[in-house]
Amino acid sequence: EAQVTQNPRYLITVTGKKLTVTCSQNMNHEYMSWYRQDPGLGLRQIYYSMNVEVTDKGDVPEGYKVSRKEKRNFPLILESPSPNQTSLYFCASSLESSYNEQFFGPGTRLTVL
Amino acid sequence: GQQVMQIPQYQHVQEGEDFTTYCNSSTTLSNIQWYKQRPGGHPVFLIQLVKSGEVKKQKRLTFQFGEAKKNSSLHITATQTTDVGTYFCAGPASGGSNYKLTFGKGTLLTVNP
Repeated sequence: EAQVTQNPRYLITVTGKKLTVTCSQNMNHEYMSWYRQDPGLGLRQIYYSMNVEVTDKGDVPEGYKVSRKEKRNFPLILESPSPNQTSLYFCASSLESSYNEQFFGPGTRLTVL
Repeated sequence: GQQVMQIPQYQHVQEGEDFTTYCNSSTTLSNIQWYKQRPGGHPVFLIQLVKSGEVKKQKRLTFQFGEAKKNSSLHITATQTTDVGTYFCAGPASGGSNYKLTFGKGTLLTVNP
C-alpha cells in the first residue's frame, strides 16, 4: 500500500531533550517536506527536500534540522526542543515538487514541557 | 514572502445549504491545490487547477482558478454531514527556483444535520 509513515505518533518530552521524528515513504517520491499545524495558523512548511542531499528552508525552519540521506526517509530533528514547538507535525511527499499532489502522513502530536 | 489568505475561517451551515471558501495569494501561483482534513485526520488532496480561469467539478464540489492565477474558490452544493472538515488551499509560487508550498489557514466547515 502506498503510504507515508511517521513515528512516533505521539510524544511528550521535556525542554532541551533532543528528539527525532521519522518519516518514510514507499512511493519513490523525490519531494518530501515537513509541516507544523497550530490552531488558527494552518499548515506551515518547516523544511523541504527536492531529492537526496538537497534540502531547503520553508517558512518556519528555526529550531529544526532535517536530513535526506536516502530517498525514502526524511527525519525531522529537534536538537533542543522548547515549549513553543508543541504542535502537530505532518510529513508529506510528492512525485517531483511542490507543484504536485502532496501525500501526507498521519501526523505526530508533540508536547514539549 | 508569499502569503495565501483564506476566508472565511469558520462556516457553519445547515445540511442542504451551499458553502463557499475563497483563497487569495499575494503572488501569482503556478497552480492551486485543494486539500480536505477531517477532524483528527491528515490533509487529503482533492484537486489541482493549473490554467488561468479553469473550472473543475467533482460531484457537488466546484473549483475555480482566477484569471490572474492569484485567487481560487471551492463551492459545495447542498452540503452533507460527510463534508465536515477543514478545507485548505495551497500554492507554489510561480517561476524561480523556490519550491516552497504555502497553505492558507483553512476554512473549518461544520454541518448541522
